Amino acid sequence: QKEVEQDPGPLSVPEGAIVSLNCTYSNSAFQYFMWYRQYSRKGPELLMYTYSSGNKEDGRFTAQVDKSSKYISLFIRDSQPSDSATYLCAMIGYSSASKIIFGSGTRLSIRP
Amino acid sequence: DSGVTQTPKHLITATGQRVTLRCSPRSGDLSVYWYQQSLDQGLQFLIQYYNGEERAKGNILERFSAQQFPDLHSELNLSSLELGDSALYFCASSSWGTKGEKLFFGSGTQLSVL
Repeated sequence: QKEVEQDPGPLSVPEGAIVSLNCTYSNSAFQYFMWYRQYSRKGPELLMYTYSSGNKEDGRFTAQVDKSSKYISLFIRDSQPSDSATYLCAMIGYSSASKIIFGSGTRLSIRP
Repeated sequence: DSGVTQTPKHLITATGQRVTLRCSPRSGDLSVYWYQQSLDQGLQFLIQYYNGEERAKGNILERFSAQQFPDLHSELNLSSLELGDSALYFCASSSWGTKGEKLFFGSGTQLSVL
């Protein structure tokens, strides 16, 4: 079993829809959770960064962490064609000796 | 702009050859990570350096090696190249703060082995 599971998609939604992207994980030591956005053939870009359980909002993006269920989500409101990209979740434990683990990424396409 | 610089952006070479990829981390970051991403594949962690010392190893082949220099830039050396080594190679740098670690990625080096 992988430490982090992420549905690869592809996920296609119409412009303006609310998008929900999810990851599950098995290691309860993970404390910090991240979402990266990667456009085709570009480097991943840090989008959201959260610690422990709860919600964090930044513009149209909301990151949600449920540590009891070992489940994290990224919501995109009012989705735009420019949101079309691959979204990777990532997580890491509490110390600098931990290793950051990435999900395999979900490919998202927003239809105009 | 993430502040992480990778050179070259593109590299075309032949099987059996050796290449060197270079990465300059963000100012102040001590950690450098190397990742490989093949077409439509996820990020494969290769190796991490912290302040000049190897910190962690992932799925790095014996034909590949890396180092981090005193000025904190890093180089990834790929030798005896095979067709299957064609991929995007990313470098990322980070700093461990009071709220954990954030990785910032460079724009990558596209390696094509012909």
